[in-house]
Amino acid sequence: SYELTQPPSVSVSPGQTARITCSGDALPKKYAYWYQQKSGQAPVLVIYEDSKRPSGIPERFSGSSSGTMATLTISGAQVEDEADYYCYSTDSSGNPLFGGGTKLTVL
Amino acid sequence: QLQLQESGPGLVKPSETLSLTCTVSGGSISSSSYYWGWIRQPPGKGLEWIGSIYYSGSTYYNPSLKSRVTISVDTSKNQFSLKLSSVTAADTAVYYCARLVVRYFDLWGRGTLVTVSS
Repeated sequence: SYELTQPPSVSVSPGQTARITCSGDALPKKYAYWYQQKSGQAPVLVIYEDSKRPSGIPERFSGSSSGTMATLTISGAQVEDEADYYCYSTDSSGNPLFGGGTKLTVL
Repeated sequence: QLQLQESGPGLVKPSETLSLTCTVSGGSISSSSYYWGWIRQPPGKGLEWIGSIYYSGSTYYNPSLKSRVTISVDTSKNQFSLKLSSVTAADTAVYYCARLVVRYFDLWGRGTLVTVSS
């Protein structure tokens, strides 16, 4: 079955650039989306359609996609960006699919 | 501003049916622009899509759960509901309802924890 693969964890110091990758065979044909989930809270959309940022999301969050890999970049990561990040896309049938999640540590 | 709120029992016995309702406020569930969906998250684990429904009643489900899932909509109450049958401990999770815009979920409820235990 189709999967979206993410690294389990990424760690950066405050002010550094964090990059979280998401690999999937269908990504050349499907948009990637990214959700941020802080502890005990519901997920929040931070990037949609590969690289668009919803209103209210800080400019330090950006997204890109090339071939079978999508990337979420947090430029100048801050302590409050510490969270789990999930990539999301759809499979060939249009069914929603989440990646396994990446725990971002900023310290 | 549109909001979603999950409700239902927090404890379900093994082999029984889990039932949850999502109430949509601040907007109409009958909008032609959206589907509505359920997603769950076992404790300490990732997100899993369960299924989605249109206001007309059209549904589509995660193939891995399809045999046990029924999602329905009540437009008069601005609600949609989830039923998951024959539950086991593996169905213990936080269950979220969310709005689906074309391909992705843009608004989520706060989630409700359902524990399967005797």
